[in-house]
Amino acid sequence: KNQVEQSPQSLIILEGKNCTLQCNYTVSPFSNLRWYKQDTGRGPVSLTIMTFSENTKSNGRYTATLDADTKQSSLHITASQLSDSASYICVVSEDDYKLSFGAGTTVTVRA
Amino acid sequence: DTGVSQDPRHKITKRGQNVTFRCDPISEHNRLYWYRQTLGQGPEFLTYFQNEAQLEKSRLLSDRFSAERPKGSFSTLEIQRTEQGDSAMYLCASSLTHYEQYFGPGTRLTVT
Repeated sequence: KNQVEQSPQSLIILEGKNCTLQCNYTVSPFSNLRWYKQDTGRGPVSLTIMTFSENTKSNGRYTATLDADTKQSSLHITASQLSDSASYICVVSEDDYKLSFGAGTTVTVRA
Repeated sequence: DTGVSQDPRHKITKRGQNVTFRCDPISEHNRLYWYRQTLGQGPEFLTYFQNEAQLEKSRLLSDRFSAERPKGSFSTLEIQRTEQGDSAMYLCASSLTHYEQYFGPGTRLTVT
């Protein structure tokens, strides 16, 4: 069973609107949680990395939150742009190099 | 461009053929990782090198798969006797610490 579950699987939003992606995980022990953006046919690019003690981290219009007690994270995209159309992957690090990847949420931004 | 590079970007091969992919990490990074990603799924860990030493191999890495990093710089991933189930995107990542991994653009393999 995948230890990192993301929802929704996909969503469509209008340009300029906000959206929130969810990530629930069961990975333990927990070192850090990352959100990556992956454009079609490209490798993932890191958006945010949060350690156990961090609750929120922003990168431009992307804001990630983390609740380590409930093992939930979210990624909020503000004022979406067409270039935000991509897959967003939640990744939980157990320790060192052992990363558990979610299946991703595919976001489509329409004009 | 000083990022992670992979070659080729796309490979189409017939079942039973051998293929080899190359990854050039960011120059000062001593850690290198290989992942496999199938359509609609997140990447899955295959193997990890620290310098030239291969320190971990996933159970996904069958005996048809072999990876090398002979001089601690670039790495190659070879798949022997390819099967249709090997069709996937093969991603390489590198890092200086485990905290941040930088991914390459991937090699898309199609086995016909």
